[in-house]
Amino acid sequence: EVQLVESGGGLVQPGASLKLSCVASGFTFSDYWMSWVRQTPGKTMEWIGDIKYDGSYTNYAPSLKNRFTISRDNAKSTLYLQMSNVRSEDTATYYCTRWERGFDYWGQGVMVTVSS
Amino acid sequence: DIQMTQSPSVLSASVGDRVTLSCKASQNINKNLDWYQQKLGEAPKLLIYFTNNLQTGIPSRFSGSGSGTDYTLTISSLQPEDVATYFCFQYNSGPWTFGGGTKLELK
Repeated sequence: EVQLVESGGGLVQPGASLKLSCVASGFTFSDYWMSWVRQTPGKTMEWIGDIKYDGSYTNYAPSLKNRFTISRDNAKSTLYLQMSNVRSEDTATYYCTRWERGFDYWGQGVMVTVSS
Repeated sequence: DIQMTQSPSVLSASVGDRVTLSCKASQNINKNLDWYQQKLGEAPKLLIYFTNNLQTGIPSRFSGSGSGTDYTLTISSLQPEDVATYFCFQYNSGPWTFGGGTKLELK
């Protein structure tokens, strides 16, 4: 059974950094592009970016590129999202997703709240 | 960025109704469009990929169509378990973008 389990969220102050993790199981992690998607409290969905199966290439939404970094450790079947200089508008639920003809599997999501 | 506009934002329908949800792109997206269903408190689920391909395990009452800038998700006979918010998503050109969603309610 494919599973994606995110962790690392919580309450963080504006300007701080945070690293989210997503542990994958039930499939060969190193065969798939992976993405992060977030959903605001108002339910707006935003694609953050993705990473090639071998980690050699990443794509980002231009508005987030300078502050967010996606990486992966295929030996640990883990996807990461490094968030820096966070702002109140980064408050959202963050989902880890697998890409194959669409985002065919999603994690349960992890909440990040940016507030002082 | 390609803007994805979904309509209506809220749709009320009865069990058994044929329901049509619309998604319009700000430019041609060459059928590079998926549909996702999100039930309350859950992660989104892939329903349709590349405009009209039913994801494995999704009931056949769901179908997708469209081309160019205009796309449609149809539920042939609405069931109570279909109450959810539906999002379209384009991956034709970056950054990839979602529509604002259509919330489907039972009348």
